[in-house]
Amino acid sequence: DIQMTQSPSTLAASVGDRVTITCRASQNIGTWLAWYQQKPGKAPKLVIHQASTVEGWVPSRFSGSGSGTEFTLTISSLQPDDFATYYCQQCKSYSRAFGGGTKVEIK
Amino acid sequence: QVTLKESGPVLVKPTETLTLTCTVSGFSLTNSRMGVSWIRQPPGKAPEWLAHIFSKDEKSYSISLQSRLTISMDTSKSQVVLTMTSMDAVDTATYYCARIHKGSMVEDSWGQGTRVTVSS
Repeated sequence: DIQMTQSPSTLAASVGDRVTITCRASQNIGTWLAWYQQKPGKAPKLVIHQASTVEGWVPSRFSGSGSGTEFTLTISSLQPDDFATYYCQQCKSYSRAFGGGTKVEIK
Repeated sequence: QVTLKESGPVLVKPTETLTLTCTVSGFSLTNSRMGVSWIRQPPGKAPEWLAHIFSKDEKSYSISLQSRLTISMDTSKSQVVLTMTSMDAVDTATYYCARIHKGSMVEDSWGQGTRVTVSS
């Protein structure tokens, strides 16, 4: 089974900060990686797929990069609506594990 | 507009079987390029993928839970059903269904989720 590890688990930042979240896979998954945003009491929402393809609803301040085993989600200038928990998910193998999540909090 | 809605019991007893139904609209379950996944999320924890189905003959299950899971679809009703046997307190979670694309293997539209508690 492919395991996904995210860091940090919690991140305190201010509006306007540049924020980077890292996701590591236990084996090579190419670019088969997705990022989701989840707010309290809501279902996760797809932000990025194929490591760097941003969904249509997502503001341009979000970007994704990486391949193989290391991936990053970057928010170039954090906005109030971005405070949420972010999860990565490997999409290569059928047991498509999620990372443990990164909670982005207000500093 | 794509929508998915989960339905099922709020409370189940230990050892019982859970049956959840996902009713979809805005896309067709006869389209083999699209399917439905079930994902659960225990309180305060990360989501856990459980199973997905693209057609009556194309299904996949979580390795750790496959002995307890069965997924099926009824295209005439636009429904996907998940059953999980031998429920335990550790299975308490919010259960989501979501549309999955076969090409990208991502869940791009999710239901609101249904909270299931396992308790006697």
